[in-house]
Amino acid sequence: DTAVSQTPKYLVTQMGNDKSIKCEQNLGHDTMYWYKQDSKKFLKIMFSYNNKELIINETVPNRFSPKSPDKAHLNLHINSLELGDSAVYFCASSKASGRTQETQYFGPGTRLLVL
Amino acid sequence: KQEVTQIPAALSVPEGENLVLNCSFTDSAIYNLQWFRQDPGKGLTSLLLIQSSQREQTSGRLNASLDKSSGRSTLYIAASQPGDSATYLCAVNRGNTPLVFGKGTRLSVIA
Repeated sequence: DTAVSQTPKYLVTQMGNDKSIKCEQNLGHDTMYWYKQDSKKFLKIMFSYNNKELIINETVPNRFSPKSPDKAHLNLHINSLELGDSAVYFCASSKASGRTQETQYFGPGTRLLVL
Repeated sequence: KQEVTQIPAALSVPEGENLVLNCSFTDSAIYNLQWFRQDPGKGLTSLLLIQSSQREQTSGRLNASLDKSSGRSTLYIAASQPGDSATYLCAVNRGNTPLVFGKGTRLSVIA
């Protein structure tokens, strides 16, 4: 019973390629997130979606485009991959409940290596 | 802008020892503080969530405290075991917003 799943788990690709990472949650949550963990293991938010609408977009190059076909899915498409995009990308979800927040649940991560 | 700091960056202790991990944040107007565990090459597992109206939360051998006014939280691990070896991350947010993470404390429990 995977709560938050991501595919693929590993992704090795050449510079300049376009790739997508998929995320699905079966928790019935309203809010989904993409985080990036760099080589120094520092986790930072990239995007946040609530009910399929973008609510947070941190300073992320526009080569990164999140897409939410429904509130259970938040996919991440990356154009023209660069060496610096190599990182672990985590998807997460939480229940939207106004001021009080439930726990954020994280996927297992997608390890992207750009050569 | 919220910043989260975790001290120490790394900690090595013998099995059975009690230990404390520290987390501090610059903006005390938080709503929630969450402690996570990350094993090498794995995702994050939520350990404890403390809402801003709470002072502490307990789960088994783990106890997390929150002092909003001073911008601090501690994670206490009792009777540490080798299986506790992992990186522990502290994160804060306001309501239903993305978490702001610290850089983590890498814990090694030596048998």
